[in-house]
Amino acid sequence: SYELTQPPSVSVSPGQTARITCSGAALPKQYTFWYQQKPGRAPVVLMFKDTERPSGVPERFSASSSGTTVTLTISGVQAEDEADYYCQSGDSSGTYRFGGGTKLTVL
Amino acid sequence: EVHLVESGGGLVKPGGSLRLSCAASRFTFTRYGMNWVRQAPGKGLEWVSYISGSSTFIYYADSVKGRFTISRDNAKNSLYLQMNSLRAEDTAVYYCARASPDLEGAFDVWGQGTLVTVSS
Repeated sequence: SYELTQPPSVSVSPGQTARITCSGAALPKQYTFWYQQKPGRAPVVLMFKDTERPSGVPERFSASSSGTTVTLTISGVQAEDEADYYCQSGDSSGTYRFGGGTKLTVL
Repeated sequence: EVHLVESGGGLVKPGGSLRLSCAASRFTFTRYGMNWVRQAPGKGLEWVSYISGSSTFIYYADSVKGRFTISRDNAKNSLYLQMNSLRAEDTAVYYCARASPDLEGAFDVWGQGTLVTVSS
């Protein structure tokens, strides 16, 4: 099996840029996805296929990949972006894994 | 609007069994692989199981392998999770989630979740 490692928390002021990393040995070989989850709600997909954004997701959300680390970037953070963020990837055996999650606090 | 609705959660004693259901509506159910994902209170997301559209491929997380069984009835647009030999650590909100081939397998639709509590 493999692990996906995220920082437990990230804090930014409104209007600033937030970066949330996800590290894992399998990431270069498998697509990475990102989800946003607000309290008491189901997760919502933010990014797929490493860097692609589904329709309806604001353009301030983007992602990049370098080696075994992928980074979710939120430009011009807004108060409504305060949430938990999870990366997800699969492996060649067909199983999936989520990162531990990152709590984004908007100061 | 595309919809997933879970049911079947509740309180069960350790060692007991429970069957969760997920009713799908307003999309071609057979086209999509389906998943169960759980979230223990105050904790992160944990993928539990996947089943392909025709039930050909089925996968489980190591934590539930041998105890949980995923299945689907395409005629009823329904997904199931049979949970046996339940443990306290299985206590969680269980979500069903659709894997979209258009998004390279991303889980693009989620239900509202159903709470399973394993306690004596």
